[in-house]
Amino acid sequence: QVQLVQSGAEVKKPGASVKVSCKTSGYTFTSSGISWVRQAPGQGLEWMGWISGINGNTDYAQKLQGRVTMTTDTSTSTAYMELRSLRSDDTAVYYCARLRYGSNCFDYWGQGTLVTVSS
Amino acid sequence: DIVMTQSPDSLAVSLGERATINCKSSQSVLYSSNNKNYLAWYQQKPGQPPKLLIYWASTRESGVPDRFSGSGSGTDFTLTISSLQAEDVAFYYCQQYYNTPYTFGQGTKLEIK
Repeated sequence: QVQLVQSGAEVKKPGASVKVSCKTSGYTFTSSGISWVRQAPGQGLEWMGWISGINGNTDYAQKLQGRVTMTTDTSTSTAYMELRSLRSDDTAVYYCARLRYGSNCFDYWGQGTLVTVSS
Repeated sequence: DIVMTQSPDSLAVSLGERATINCKSSQSVLYSSNNKNYLAWYQQKPGQPPKLLIYWASTRESGVPDRFSGSGSGTDFTLTISSLQAEDVAFYYCQQYYNTPYTFGQGTKLEIK
């Protein structure tokens, strides 16, 4: 069965960086893309960007351009999201989600990783 | 960017009654070449990731109970729960995947009356 398992919670100081991993299994990693979505406490869902599992092409939300980098390691079927120059308003649960091939809706999600930015 | 607006923000419905959530996009998400609406609905319960319910505006995801249905085209869409069950208490989000950024509605909180 398809599974996306994310790394554990992180606490970071303002200005630091965080890298969250998303290890996938149960499907051919290179057949789909991975998107990252975040959710601030008590707030809605915000799309951060996506990365193609086929060729590693990326597309980032404009507001995060220059601070976010999404990568993949096809040898371990793992996707990564790095966010730099963290601010307090980056405090959120970060989710990875698989893009369904041929549709791009998000059919499987990771369990979420809480990133807390606090001095 | 395509702005997705849901209504209402919150909704209280009696058990067994119908619940209806609306979603409006700022531009059409209907792709003319394949006549598909690039619109999905997700359910999110506290402490859990979102769960895909409906895609292509009206196609129910495998395993989703048939009391959930989606309708609409172009810019106006509806999620209907035909007979509300206690386990349906959750937040519901619409999302367009027509083009990036793949934007979500602000969410609708569904409760039991």
